[in-house]
Amino acid sequence: DIQMTQSPASLSASLGETVTIQCQASEDIYSGLAWYQQKPGKSPQLLIYGASSLQDGVPSRFSGSGSGTQYSLKISSMQTEDEGVYFCQQGLKYPLTFGSGTKLEIK
Amino acid sequence: EVQLVESGGGLVQPGSSLKVSCVASGFTFSSYVMHWFRQAPENGIEWLAYINTDSSSTHYAETVKGRFTISRDNAKNTVDMQLSSLRSEDTAMYFCARERCELGASFDYWGQGVMVTVSS
Repeated sequence: DIQMTQSPASLSASLGETVTIQCQASEDIYSGLAWYQQKPGKSPQLLIYGASSLQDGVPSRFSGSGSGTQYSLKISSMQTEDEGVYFCQQGLKYPLTFGSGTKLEIK
Repeated sequence: EVQLVESGGGLVQPGSSLKVSCVASGFTFSSYVMHWFRQAPENGIEWLAYINTDSSSTHYAETVKGRFTISRDNAKNTVDMQLSSLRSEDTAMYFCARERCELGASFDYWGQGVMVTVSS
């Protein structure tokens, strides 16, 4: 199985601050990487697919990058509504696997 | 508007069975691959099963293979999962999701989830 290692486990950011979350795959996933945001009591919301493509309706302050085994999600200017848990997910091979999540809070 | 609505959760005893269902609306259901996931309280997300558009292909996570069965009815716009031989570790929120088949498998619409609790 492809293991997804996500870091950090938690972080707090000030309004307007740039935030970066990292995700490392245990093998090359050829940009088959998605990012999700999940708020308490809600289902995950797709932010980024194909490592860097922005899902329709997602604010442009969210961006994804990376290749091979290393990927990152950047929020260019932290907003209050960006609080939540962020997960990466590899979509290359079954079983599909997720990172353990990053809890993002406002400082 | 795309909607996925799950139903069928509840409290069941270890060793019992339960069916969770997901009804889709707002899109051409028969054109999309569908999946089930679960998330235990305060835990991460676990992929469980996949079914292709005409039900000719399915995949399962090893943790549920042989115990869970995914199926779909394109005439009714539903995707179900039959859960059998349930264990306490199957306690979780169960979600269905639509696959966005481009640049790797990702999931653009999710249901609100249905809670399954396995306890004596």
